[in-house]
Amino acid sequence: EDQVTQSPEALRLQEGESSSLNCSYTVSGLRGLFWYRQDPGKGPEFLFTLYSAGEEKEKERLKATLTKKESFLHITAPKPEDSATYLCAVEGNTPLVFGKGTRLSVIA
Amino acid sequence: EAGVTQSPTHLIKTRGQQVTLRCSPISGHTSVYWYQQALGLGLQFLLWYDEGEERNRGNFPPRFSGRQFPNYSSELNVNALELEDSALYLCASPGSGGSGYNEQFFGPGTRLTVL
Repeated sequence: EDQVTQSPEALRLQEGESSSLNCSYTVSGLRGLFWYRQDPGKGPEFLFTLYSAGEEKEKERLKATLTKKESFLHITAPKPEDSATYLCAVEGNTPLVFGKGTRLSVIA
Repeated sequence: EAGVTQSPTHLIKTRGQQVTLRCSPISGHTSVYWYQQALGLGLQFLLWYDEGEERNRGNFPPRFSGRQFPNYSSELNVNALELEDSALYLCASPGSGGSGYNEQFFGPGTRLTVL
């Protein structure tokens, strides 16, 4: 059974304090690993897709990396507007399986 | 291109009632995915429709059902509502159109509250 575990559950950072979010997964035949950002009460917003170990993607202050067992979302010099829940999902031989997310708060 | 749209934005129902939620995928795209996001449980896959057919179903009871219309819009029906059905219901559409093996783009969701 495909599984995704995200850690930490919640993270509080000062503005400018860089950190990383973790997504550990087990999947039969990885087709893709996806990162989303979700603001309260809204639908998830697509950030990145990673397909194979060693791949990296960047967007503004975010950088996603992938190994055979986990993915990291690195946040460099975060700003208060980066506060959100970040979701990780994997697609194998079944539709997307999501982790429960990491709730990020960035304090000015 | 227009994104995924959902209606209504909010619904309040009582136990035992029935509800219908609606979704239109990205214009020209044939697939629609439904997810439930209940508090503390994360997003759970409900149903996948493509070209008018149900392609896959998550681990939910039969009172969760749906259909897809010829214009690729979709309805999710929930019968005999229970308190634990209170959740944000999200609809998604694959970005490249129908294969199911690419990133999915989500609508704004319908917040269902069951009293």
